[in-house]
Amino acid sequence: GIQVEQSPPDLILQEGANSTLRCNFSDSVNNLQWFHQNPWGQLINLFYIPSGTKQNGRLSATTVATERYSLLYISSSQTTDSGVYFCAVTSYAGGTSYGKLTFGQGTILTVHP
Amino acid sequence: DAEITQSPRHKITETGRQVTLACHQTWNHNNMFWYRQDLGHGLRLIHYSYGVQDTNKGEVSDGYSVSRSNTEDLPLTLESAASSQTSVYFCASARTGGTEAFFGQGTRLTVV
Repeated sequence: GIQVEQSPPDLILQEGANSTLRCNFSDSVNNLQWFHQNPWGQLINLFYIPSGTKQNGRLSATTVATERYSLLYISSSQTTDSGVYFCAVTSYAGGTSYGKLTFGQGTILTVHP
Repeated sequence: DAEITQSPRHKITETGRQVTLACHQTWNHNNMFWYRQDLGHGLRLIHYSYGVQDTNKGEVSDGYSVSRSNTEDLPLTLESAASSQTSVYFCASARTGGTEAFFGQGTRLTVV
């Protein structure tokens, strides 16, 4: 099946710093989502971005589908950005995989005041 | 607002007992999924359904079953709970077409 690798595994920032999280995937995808898992364990949808670029406030994401990677940018980080960021994809490979997400291992982000 | 809800949020059960976790969505999504989250493994797919009466096994389906009698609900049953099934369980739903999936709040299950 498709492989999803996220980097870095851990990231520690001071409040106000910028960061880039990366997601590499091993096959063509028809869905790519970024999630933030907050300290209470809730999975929050950040972006649905199988290709192109989107922005939402201090967060933006870019997916280059032909090169099989996606980037999540966090600018002017805040302590509330702390948590785990997951990339998840659905591959084109066969009808049986339709709609099923494969998750990366996540990036643990800690933002200090 | 449409939403997806899981119940209970926390449960402790004994080894060997049957346990059912509920998932209910009001988006009228055809596709529903169950995942488990464990340290060191991220989220892994247990079972999924593409519509009423349709169920399919995922990556880690052993010891679990699901049934889909209506669009809104996909209950997950642990037939005989084992300590290895201690985990956080997430339900998700998505429209047909492989579009954006939305997740419930999660259920933390402890098997003692």
